[in-house]
Amino acid sequence: AQKITQTQPGMFVQEKEAVTLDCTYDTSDQSYGLFWYKQPSSGEMIFLIYQGSYDEQNATEGRYSLNFQKARKSANLVISASQLGDSAMYFCAIRNTGTASKLTFGTGTRLQVTL
Amino acid sequence: DAGITQSPRHKVTETGTPVTLRCHQTENHRYMYWYRQDPGHGLRLIHYSYGVKDTDKGEVSDGYSVSRSKTEDFLLTLESATSSQTSVYFCAISESINIPGKPQHFGDGTRLSIL
Repeated sequence: AQKITQTQPGMFVQEKEAVTLDCTYDTSDQSYGLFWYKQPSSGEMIFLIYQGSYDEQNATEGRYSLNFQKARKSANLVISASQLGDSAMYFCAIRNTGTASKLTFGTGTRLQVTL
Repeated sequence: DAGITQSPRHKVTETGTPVTLRCHQTENHRYMYWYRQDPGHGLRLIHYSYGVKDTDKGEVSDGYSVSRSKTEDFLLTLESATSSQTSVYFCAISESINIPGKPQHFGDGTRLSIL
């Protein structure tokens, strides 16, 4: 069974600063994928970024990047130049290849961006 | 945005009554999922489907059943609702499990309150 741990229930960051949201995972599989989703106060789940276990480079998508450290089993999300609209819940999730694409989520981190 | 519609969006009902939530997709994706979201737990998988009439249990399936008679519709039924099933329910779809970076896309959620 796989598990995701997000140890930061809440984080604050000032506008225009960078912030790192932590995610560690546990899996016995060699092939897996890691996803980050954003959930604003309106409630929808928005896909942000993906990292495959065999990807040699860290994933990037605009202001989002993933600090993937496979040996440490961590996949931290880095948001650069924070904006007020980044205030939301952020969920890390793992998917093991071949299991009908099921996702296991962490408990989330609530990020608040301040002026 | 992925074409996923959940209905109803909000529902209040009483303990012991049957409840059916509907997820409708226009993407013709093979895989569909039902999750529930509770504070402190993130999202947890209830049931999923890998094709018409093909379904399987997830992590928290007790008290729930599902049906998928058409590709586009995935129904979640609470046969006799209990207060512990008060939650926000999300439907998700996935195109393929063989394309590693393909994320699940989520509906907007159904807020269910059982009194």
